[in-house]
Amino acid sequence: EIVMTQSPATLSVSPGERATLSCRASQSVSSNLVWYQQKPGQAPRLLIYGASTRATGIPARFSGSGSGTEFTLTISSLQSEDFAVYYCQQYNNWPPWTFGQGTKVEIK
Amino acid sequence: EVQLVESGGGLVQPGGSLKLSCAASGITFSGSWMSWVRQAPGKGLEWVANIKHDGSEKYYVDSVRGRFTISRDNAKDSLYLQMNSLRVEDTAVYYCAKGARYGDYWGQGTLVTVSS
Repeated sequence: EIVMTQSPATLSVSPGERATLSCRASQSVSSNLVWYQQKPGQAPRLLIYGASTRATGIPARFSGSGSGTEFTLTISSLQSEDFAVYYCQQYNNWPPWTFGQGTKVEIK
Repeated sequence: EVQLVESGGGLVQPGGSLKLSCAASGITFSGSWMSWVRQAPGKGLEWVANIKHDGSEKYYVDSVRGRFTISRDNAKDSLYLQMNSLRVEDTAVYYCAKGARYGDYWGQGTLVTVSS
């Protein structure tokens, strides 16, 4: 089973600043990776699929990059509604879906 | 508008059973793979099971295989998860999600608490 590792566990950022989140796979997943956003008490929301394609309705300030084993989610200018937990998930070898443990983006 | 609405959660004793439902609208349910994903309190996401659009393929995470059964009724646009022999560690919010490889739409979840 592929293990997904996210870093850092918590990221403290001021509104308007850039946030960079990392996700590493234990073996290559090609570009078969998604990012989700989850706010407290809410369901996950798909942000990025195919490592770099924004899902429907996702603002352009969210961007994904990477392939193989190293991936990055960048939020170019943090808005108040962006403070949340972000998960990566690989789908190169499924089932199972395997998720990272999450990165919490909090207000600095 | 896509809507996935879960129901059926609640408090159950260890060893008990519960059946979750997910009612779908706004999607072509009969043409969609569907999945269940759970989240223990304060923890991350864990995929549980998924089912092909016609029910011909089903997959489970190892920890629930033999205890949980995923099913669907395309005539009712509904997805189900029959959970038997429940354990304390099955306590979680259970989400249904549309998709085979990842969830492009998610329901709001239903809480299952396994406790004596």
